[in-house]
Amino acid sequence: AQTVTQSQPEMSVQEAETVTLSCTYDTSESDYYLFWYKQPPSRQMILVIRQEAYKQQNATENRFSVNFQKAAKSFSLKISDSQLGDAAMYFCAYRRYSNTGKLIFGQGTTLQVKP
Amino acid sequence: SQTIHQWPATLVQPVGSPLSLECTVEGTSNPNLYWYRQAAGRGLQLLFYSVGIGQISSEVPQNLSASRPQDRQFILSSKKLLLSDSGFYLCASLSGISTDTQYFGPGTRLTVL
Repeated sequence: AQTVTQSQPEMSVQEAETVTLSCTYDTSESDYYLFWYKQPPSRQMILVIRQEAYKQQNATENRFSVNFQKAAKSFSLKISDSQLGDAAMYFCAYRRYSNTGKLIFGQGTTLQVKP
Repeated sequence: SQTIHQWPATLVQPVGSPLSLECTVEGTSNPNLYWYRQAAGRGLQLLFYSVGIGQISSEVPQNLSASRPQDRQFILSSKKLLLSDSGFYLCASLSGISTDTQYFGPGTRLTVL
């Protein structure tokens, strides 16, 4: 069975600095998707970034980028120029290629941004 | 783009009472729909998913059930709530142009006393 592990329960970063959140996963599949979701205090789940496993190029969305290492089964999220609004819980998620579209989530990392 | 509604936003229920949480989706058709539960400070656990009307798959044996009476309506129910049913319930949809990504509703906070 596929699993997703986020080994950092909590992280903190100074405003305007860069922080990296770690995620590893276990799968025997070769084609799949990976996601980072953000959950602010409102608890609404917001998509931050997604990566398709067949793409070698790392995904980037403005200040958010990933370091996807397929062989190592690692999918870290880098947040540059951190802002107070980035404070939230961040979840890494895995989805295999299938019509069910089921997501498997990690346990989350709480990010604190210090002014 | 699609919009996901959940009702109610907050609910406090006594142990042994019934439950009905509703999720509706606008702006798309034939979505896959999902119910997740999140315990305080924890990750999301998939409870049920549906790939079409009347088609329900259960991921975790429990005190809950789900139904999909219409294409864009997904309901989570219980006949008798347990204390352990407390949590934050999220509905998600997968459809349309972004068929690789699930989008989430605002959630329902359920407290069972």
